[in-house]
Amino acid sequence: GVTQSPTHLIKTRGQQVTLRCSSQSGHNTVSWYQQALGQGPQFIFQYYRKEENGRGNFPPRFSGLQFPNDSSELNVNALELDDSALYLCASSLGMNTEAFFGQGTRLTVV
Amino acid sequence: KQEVTQIPAALSVPEGENLVLNCSFTDSAIYNLQWFRQDPGKGLTSLLLIQSSQREQTSGRLNASLDKSSGRSTLYIAASQPGDSATYLCAVRPSLGSGTYKYIFGTGTRLKVLA
Repeated sequence: GVTQSPTHLIKTRGQQVTLRCSSQSGHNTVSWYQQALGQGPQFIFQYYRKEENGRGNFPPRFSGLQFPNDSSELNVNALELDDSALYLCASSLGMNTEAFFGQGTRLTVV
Repeated sequence: KQEVTQIPAALSVPEGENLVLNCSFTDSAIYNLQWFRQDPGKGLTSLLLIQSSQREQTSGRLNASLDKSSGRSTLYIAASQPGDSATYLCAVRPSLGSGTYKYIFGTGTRLKVLA
């Protein structure tokens, strides 16, 4: 399955954070979503074969990496209070095939 | 711009009742539509995926229908159980060339099944 780490994280405004995701074996595509409390997930970006393939309405301080070993990272710089949310990683075999989601990382910015 | 709406936002039913959750979307040019389940503070579990050329999909007590021309999908849950209590999310993938790489989600229906 898809695993994310850590499960919970508390950071201070202005800091930087790195969230990690381990994709399902063999999947070449990873997508990241942000879910604020009481809202549906919002698309951040997608990486396909280690290249950013599409991006939602998020500023450049949200960036990502995809590694050869089926792992990926979401980096957020200059954290703001509004960045507090559940961050979900989803992996798939292809850009528009069924995606499988991890359990998420709950980020709290204080 | 594609928008997805789910009604009702919350629903409380007695155990054993059959129920219908609604999802509507503004642009009929979709690649597929998927229903997910989310337990509090957890990730998403895929329930049913309907391709744009399909009308419905069934899995156990769940049946999802798709009417692309009217921009609607319904998720039917038969004989509801307390274990069905969760938030149900509907998501569409736009058609090819319009951002098929992403899901666009509704805000969900929070279901509570009372024992």
